[in-house]
Amino acid sequence: DAKTTQPNSMESNEEEPVHLPCNHSTISGTDYIHWYRQLPSQGPEYVIHGLTSNVNNRMASLAIAEDRKSSTLILHRATLRDAAVYYCILRADRGSTLGRLYFGRGTQLTVWP
Amino acid sequence: GAVVSQHPSWVICKSGTSVKIECRSLDFQATTMFWYRQFPKQSLMLMATSNEGSKATYEQGVEKDKFLINHASLTLSTLTVTSAHPEDSSFYICSARRGETTTDTQYFGPGTRLTVL
Repeated sequence: DAKTTQPNSMESNEEEPVHLPCNHSTISGTDYIHWYRQLPSQGPEYVIHGLTSNVNNRMASLAIAEDRKSSTLILHRATLRDAAVYYCILRADRGSTLGRLYFGRGTQLTVWP
Repeated sequence: GAVVSQHPSWVICKSGTSVKIECRSLDFQATTMFWYRQFPKQSLMLMATSNEGSKATYEQGVEKDKFLINHASLTLSTLTVTSAHPEDSSFYICSARRGETTTDTQYFGPGTRLTVL
């Protein structure tokens, strides 16, 4: 399974934008980049995913580098409810690990009021 | 978004007993369900993948006789921890995937906290 590298922790002030980076230099052509977040004692929540093009949804934006070796999750205006562990995961959509998610350590985002 | 439930949300049991955890997709049919385990301050670890009507595929290092998975219908998967011991105490989380296309995402349940005394 391809691995991702994320900073252990990041901090932001409320209502400011947050850019959460993720490196995935060994990504293969069929791996999708998925982002999930997890609040304490809860199951993860889907945030966004993409393959090559930048993606936007109501929760966040995903900016993917042209060579696909890195990506950035963008929260446009952080709120206190966005404080969570954010996981960047490569999901294989072919082969023996089809559809499986292998979680790394993630980034603990702290949002200050 | 799609809803996945787990039951129970927490359970305490004595060492040596078996515990069953249910995972249900409430508003969609899940072709594939996944089971994860999470120890305190650690990340989620994928335990197994199950497809309705077939045997589960376990990740390396996960004992299939210890963690029995049954995916009897498109909306229900169960995980049974057999002969539980204190080291099995953990947060167990399931997820369900609606289809097999690249746009299908996994929806996670709220988790079940197991404490083995």
